[in-house]
Amino acid sequence: EAQVTQNPRYLITVTGKKLTVTCSQNMNHEYMSWYRQDPGLGLRQIYYSMNVEVTDKGDVPEGYKVSRKEKRNFPLILESPSPNQTSLYFCASSRRPRITDTQYFGPGTRLTVL
Amino acid sequence: RKEVEQDPGPFNVPEGATVAFNCTYSNSASQSFFWYRQDCRKEPKLLMSVYSSGNEDGRFTAQLNRASQYISLLIRDSKLSDSATYLCVVNRLGANAGGTSYGKLTFGQGTILTVHP
Repeated sequence: EAQVTQNPRYLITVTGKKLTVTCSQNMNHEYMSWYRQDPGLGLRQIYYSMNVEVTDKGDVPEGYKVSRKEKRNFPLILESPSPNQTSLYFCASSRRPRITDTQYFGPGTRLTVL
Repeated sequence: RKEVEQDPGPFNVPEGATVAFNCTYSNSASQSFFWYRQDCRKEPKLLMSVYSSGNEDGRFTAQLNRASQYISLLIRDSKLSDSATYLCVVNRLGANAGGTSYGKLTFGQGTILTVHP
């Protein structure tokens, strides 16, 4: 089944404790991205990657890191989480980063930073 | 001003009603447009693309007015299962730090629809 998977789905952590949220897609997509969703603000892009070893900042990259060592995986790293990073996170992928390509979203990771 | 704006609602309608959502976008360089549906705490899923000529998919009709920079979604004969948040999404060409173009999606904050018996 074609899908985007994320782990963990739910995470409660404390300020400053490094964490990684994994994202994997099995559709051989070139383009992957991370979004966060907050009430009243919609989805905002954190980072994106057009292909292996190519990553770029989105609209809200502060406090996050990513890597793209393999085509299928795009982990999101929070080196020192803070309470303002409490949010619902979605990973997404599309075949190419083109204007018309459909983005497929993972199931989401609900993160709480205490 | 937000790049994509929607009325957040909530819209509460009875089964069988017709309901319409509007969305405005500010960047005239926007090139493609979509409506996504998001069920509570789940991932957004593409509902339909929106074309200048308007398009219909069963009970759903989407319209685009480029001159006025707004997009609409009409749902006829509402079902209980239509209850969800509807996201207006606009795609335009962006460029990364190296100058390579890509499709940059911008999401509205969503409109909440509740259909009741």
